[in-house]
Amino acid sequence: EIVLTQSPGTLSLSPGERATLSCRASQSISSSYLAWYQQKPGQAPRLLIYGASSRATGIPDRFSGSGSGTDFTLTISRLEPEDFAVYYCQQYGSSPTGFTFGPGTKVDIK
Amino acid sequence: EVQLVESGGGLVQPGGSLRLSCAASGFTVSRYWMSWVRQAPGKGLEWVANIKQDGSEKYYVDSVKGRFTISRDNAKSSLFLQMNSLRADDTAVYYCARLRGYLDCWGHGTLVTVSS
Repeated sequence: EIVLTQSPGTLSLSPGERATLSCRASQSISSSYLAWYQQKPGQAPRLLIYGASSRATGIPDRFSGSGSGTDFTLTISRLEPEDFAVYYCQQYGSSPTGFTFGPGTKVDIK
Repeated sequence: EVQLVESGGGLVQPGGSLRLSCAASGFTVSRYWMSWVRQAPGKGLEWVANIKQDGSEKYYVDSVKGRFTISRDNAKSSLFLQMNSLRADDTAVYYCARLRGYLDCWGHGTLVTVSS
């Protein structure tokens, strides 16, 4: 099973700042089958990025994903007030037999 | 509009059973794999089960194998999760989601609480 580690656990930033979130896999993820989700309190997760770097429908271009192999990054170029949330990465290289999520990174207001 | 709506959650005693439902609309359910994902209070996301378009393949996380059963009724655009022998650590919000490797559409979730 591929284990995902996200860092930092919490990121404290101000609106307008740049956020860089890391997701590291215990082994190489085939074909960059890595997705990112945003979750706000009391809400379901929302897909942001799939295939490591493709934005989902309706996602603003301030969100971008990069990386390959075992190291992936989600970047929010300029934080908007609505971006303060928890972000999860997910690997789906083994889908549909199963997949795993990272533990999440909380982006909160400094 | 693509929409998933879960129902069936509630309070159940340890060892009890519960059946969750997920009603889909806005897309042709029979064309997609579907998933259940859960989130314990204050914790992260955990994949629970996947089911193929025609129901012929099903996969489960080890912790629910033999206790949970995923199923679907494409004619009714519905997904189900039968949960038996429930334990306290099954307490969570359960989400159904459309699976494309990644999960591109999620329901709002239904809370299952296992407690005496």
